[in-house]
Amino acid sequence: GQNIDQPTEMTATEGAIVQINCTYQTSGFNGLFWYQQHAGEAPTFLSYNVLDGLEEKGRFSSFLSRSKGYSYLLLKELQMKDSASYLCALMDSNYQLIWGAGTKLIIKP
Amino acid sequence: DTEVTQTPKHLVMGMTNKKSLKCEQHMGHRAMYWYKQKAKKPPELMFVYSYEKLSINESVPSRFSPECPNSSLLNLHLHALQPEDSALYLCASSQEGQGAFGPGTRLTVT
Repeated sequence: GQNIDQPTEMTATEGAIVQINCTYQTSGFNGLFWYQQHAGEAPTFLSYNVLDGLEEKGRFSSFLSRSKGYSYLLLKELQMKDSASYLCALMDSNYQLIWGAGTKLIIKP
Repeated sequence: DTEVTQTPKHLVMGMTNKKSLKCEQHMGHRAMYWYKQKAKKPPELMFVYSYEKLSINESVPSRFSPECPNSSLLNLHLHALQPEDSALYLCASSQEGQGAFGPGTRLTVT
């Protein structure tokens, strides 16, 4: 079967760094996505990892370890607009997305 | 063109109405999806079309009927919905390394 775990909620301070972890179990793997979703809006694509290692894109970076079934999203220089839910999603062997429950990130001044 | 479009953005319908949601993408993605999302929950998969064929139907009630007229279009036909069907309906498309969502249709059933 497939299973994805991520923390329900995290709080961080404006200007700081936060790491959101995602662990998964799957029999088939074709990559891992991170999406950002503001309340009432559709998810927006942040990153995609299919090989081990770190992908950096501006203030956001995403890391993958396939052997450990582990990924994280790193957000630097946090801004108030980064308050949102962050969804980890696994693409399985049939290229279908399996979603985690999302991590609600609260940014405080 | 790197986006998925959905119409309408908002829809209010009665329990006896028939309506359709529409989704379109021109990125050449061969998998297209319908998701239902309730507030504060992750998207729940409803249907998957792969190469224009329905490959997944997650035990969705028959009052929801998907249709894929061609590789760029995906419809969701709605009939005799219940108030609990009120939600955000998201269309998505994907292929390896790419996944995109439409803006969603906010559906209210009265």
